[in-house]
Amino acid sequence: EAGVAQSPRYKIIEKRQSVAFWCNPISGHATLYWYQQILGQGPKLLIQFQNNGVVDDSQLPKDRFSAERLKGVDSTLKIQPAKLEDSAVYLCASSTENYGYTFGSGTRLTVV
Amino acid sequence: EDQVTQSPEALRLQEGESSSLNCSYTVSGLRGLFWYRQDPGKGPEFLFTLYSAGEEKEKERLKATLTKKESFLHITAPKPEDSATYLCAVQAGGGGNKLTFGTGTQLKVEL
Repeated sequence: EAGVAQSPRYKIIEKRQSVAFWCNPISGHATLYWYQQILGQGPKLLIQFQNNGVVDDSQLPKDRFSAERLKGVDSTLKIQPAKLEDSAVYLCASSTENYGYTFGSGTRLTVV
Repeated sequence: EDQVTQSPEALRLQEGESSSLNCSYTVSGLRGLFWYRQDPGKGPEFLFTLYSAGEEKEKERLKATLTKKESFLHITAPKPEDSATYLCAVQAGGGGNKLTFGTGTQLKVEL
């Protein structure tokens, strides 16, 4: 079974620039998550999708972050404009109702 | 608000030296407690889910246990390949599948 695919693996941008990350979940997984992991911390949920709909985006900084999941499959997470404190690893994960999460390898973002 | 505290932050063991990692939690209605392993540059890899106090699960040199306030990850006779960061997370009841993570324990096993 193919895992959760994410791209790019690494991204370096200047502050105030924009950036987008892409995620392809495991086939058949209805639920998709974006987590932010700052160095030395545990992952923190940014947004959860159930098929096309948003279930939880309470910790998403909506003034600069946006996410969408088209046709209930792939998802993109965008940051515009980026700040220094957005430097982190952005992890995508997917799950079914009765099975645990599977995480992708993440995108490491460095904002300079 | 759900909270997870892991200790120690870092642990250095000699190969074969058994030890335990601690995860203390507060959650409104525990639906599940999860242990993950994370290697540098990779996403968390699922190890165990525990659902109720008294439950235990084992996988190779790892054994996870759960009480009403904490969970332990016991590592028996560790090997260098067990070196990684171990993350604990809780999932609360009441809808949604959100995981609340601790900051992890960074384990290094030396020859």
